[in-house]
Amino acid sequence: KNEVEQSPQNLTAQEGEFITINCSYSVGISALHWLQQHPGGGIVSLFMLSSGKKKHGRLIATINIQEKHSSLHITASHPRDSAVYICAVRLGNQFYFGTGTSLTVIP
Amino acid sequence: DVKVTQSSRYLVKRTGEKVFLECVQDMDHENMFWYRQDPGLGLRLIYFSYDVKMKEKGDIPEGYSVSREKKERFSLILESASTNQTSMYLCATRGRSRDTQYFGPGTRLTVL
Repeated sequence: KNEVEQSPQNLTAQEGEFITINCSYSVGISALHWLQQHPGGGIVSLFMLSSGKKKHGRLIATINIQEKHSSLHITASHPRDSAVYICAVRLGNQFYFGTGTSLTVIP
Repeated sequence: DVKVTQSSRYLVKRTGEKVFLECVQDMDHENMFWYRQDPGLGLRLIYFSYDVKMKEKGDIPEGYSVSREKKERFSLILESASTNQTSMYLCATRGRSRDTQYFGPGTRLTVL
């Protein structure tokens, strides 16, 4: 069962490019999260969304509840943005995770 | 800042050994989770606990058990380790009224 689907699985970009990662989900949710995982394993929460759009620095996250779809955008990408980005949805007390998008930004 | 620590970053065990992975949090969070992360499969929930001595099975509890004797500590136990339990194990916590999960640094377990 894949409650959460992400695309693309892998992404390579040149420094400065605009990046979009997509997430689709199939269940009714309380909230959607975007997470970042750097090499070595640590995961940090970037955004929690239940509607609309949020911006933090060069990162923008949007969600369309009717279409069950969210996007994470990175403007002016930088090599330090290289990481795995994971979409997760909360349903009740449980979280369901996408398989992640591995982003590499080349200088 | 929330701090979630895990007992080991890297662990190598032999098939059949009993393995303990420990997670400690300092934020008085009610909810604690154990996940495993495998390439192409993402994070999968093994067990979670919403209070001391309370536990619920997640999606893949087979071969695992858990213990939560104190609020700050949630242990994952592999009763008899097998090679298919080689994985990255991640602990997470969440407060009752909050939505964000906070993750530990992970334990990469190899079972030979």
